[in-house]
Amino acid sequence: QQQVKQSPQSLIVQKGGISIINCAYENTAFDYFPWYQQFPGKGPALLIAIRPDVSEKKEGRFTISFNKSAKQFSLHIMDSQPGDSATYFCAASKRTSGSRLTFGEGTQLTVNP
Amino acid sequence: ETGVTQSPTHLIKTRGQQVTLRCSSQSGHNTVSWYQQALGQGPQFIFQYYREEENGRGNFPPRFSGLQFPNYSSELNVNALELDDSALYLCASRADMYQETQYFGPGTRLLVL
Repeated sequence: QQQVKQSPQSLIVQKGGISIINCAYENTAFDYFPWYQQFPGKGPALLIAIRPDVSEKKEGRFTISFNKSAKQFSLHIMDSQPGDSATYFCAASKRTSGSRLTFGEGTQLTVNP
Repeated sequence: ETGVTQSPTHLIKTRGQQVTLRCSSQSGHNTVSWYQQALGQGPQFIFQYYREEENGRGNFPPRFSGLQFPNYSSELNVNALELDDSALYLCASRADMYQETQYFGPGTRLLVL
């Protein structure tokens, strides 16, 4: 059972554009929602994370929007740059399960110069 | 402060063999989680160790086993390797089992022929 569904599978944007990646979850017990960035040959690196008591969190060019009633959250990358080209994963966890992460399938982002 | 390191970086084995992967957690971190990332997919939780005890396991068979040592470094052992075990194996450490922020190592790429 896939508990976190991510879309789109791939995304191409122009430099300076906005990249939007969406995730939906099923388990309402999840209480932590991070986004990870992964470059080829590297491990995932934490970008930004949110808890369900907040509807939006912004860090630099990266923003998470969270909709608890719809069980959805999204990552917005403003002013996308070629260096942002990577695979992005949403994830979810709950403290009562020792904070193990359940990942989405990933989105391969390409930012054209 | 050193990051999470893993060894080896790459490994080729044949079906039926056994493999041991190693992980050194970030300084001061007592919790290590292992994930399997098949090509083109998100990481899947295998198990985690907290203070040398297994604390949580994903949907993986018993031939996947692990250890955590007093210095909090960890090993992942896989017996009777199957072709489908070919993947990137990631370890992640965090300061405590209930800390959400996890720091991933670069992974070990395992190929089973």
